[in-house]
Amino acid sequence: DAGVTQSPTHLIKTRGQQVTLRCSPKSGHDTVSWYQQALGQGPQFIFQYYEEEERQRGNFPDRFSGHQFPNYSSELNVNALLLGDSALYLCASSLGLSTLTGELFFGEGSRLTVL
Amino acid sequence: QQQVKQSPQSLIVQKGGISIINCAYENTAFDYFPWYQQFPGKGPALLIAIRPDVSEKKEGRFTISFNKSAKQFSLHIMDSQPGDSATYFCASDAGNMLTFGGGTRLMVKP
Repeated sequence: DAGVTQSPTHLIKTRGQQVTLRCSPKSGHDTVSWYQQALGQGPQFIFQYYEEEERQRGNFPDRFSGHQFPNYSSELNVNALLLGDSALYLCASSLGLSTLTGELFFGEGSRLTVL
Repeated sequence: QQQVKQSPQSLIVQKGGISIINCAYENTAFDYFPWYQQFPGKGPALLIAIRPDVSEKKEGRFTISFNKSAKQFSLHIMDSQPGDSATYFCASDAGNMLTFGGGTRLMVKP
């Protein structure tokens, strides 16, 4: 049973560019959340997708956007990259919107470096 | 986002010792308190979790103690092993939007 898979694992961009990160949830899961983890810090919630709609959003600017597809996979897009966007981007999947229905499973992340 | 404060930032324990990590939260709406373990280059993995209707939960060598009135919870790792060396994060949740602490880097010396 494949867990949460993310791609690419590493990428380097320059300031002002745009990036798209991809996530396939764990089999049987229908909800995808994205987190940003800066070096040496805890993950920070970006947003959550369920039924192809953004359901919750953390304190991140509109440069961060996402999408969920009918097969439950998801993309995270970041426009106009800043140096401060350099981080590990984690995708997490779950069944349903609440922790009452199941735990969150994290992927191994996509390491983004902005030069 | 409401903060979750975690301490200590780093911890060194001898093999066989007890590792204790503490967290404090602010938002009384939080109703789920998980602990995650993260190894270098890996994503966080759920270790153990508790809900506020109980004061303690034990799974093997790992125990969560929860104090609702003080808005604090802690992770105890009994008989710590070198394989436990990792970064540990506490988190709090109100609706599957986890708020993480800053992390504790644990090193268990053989």
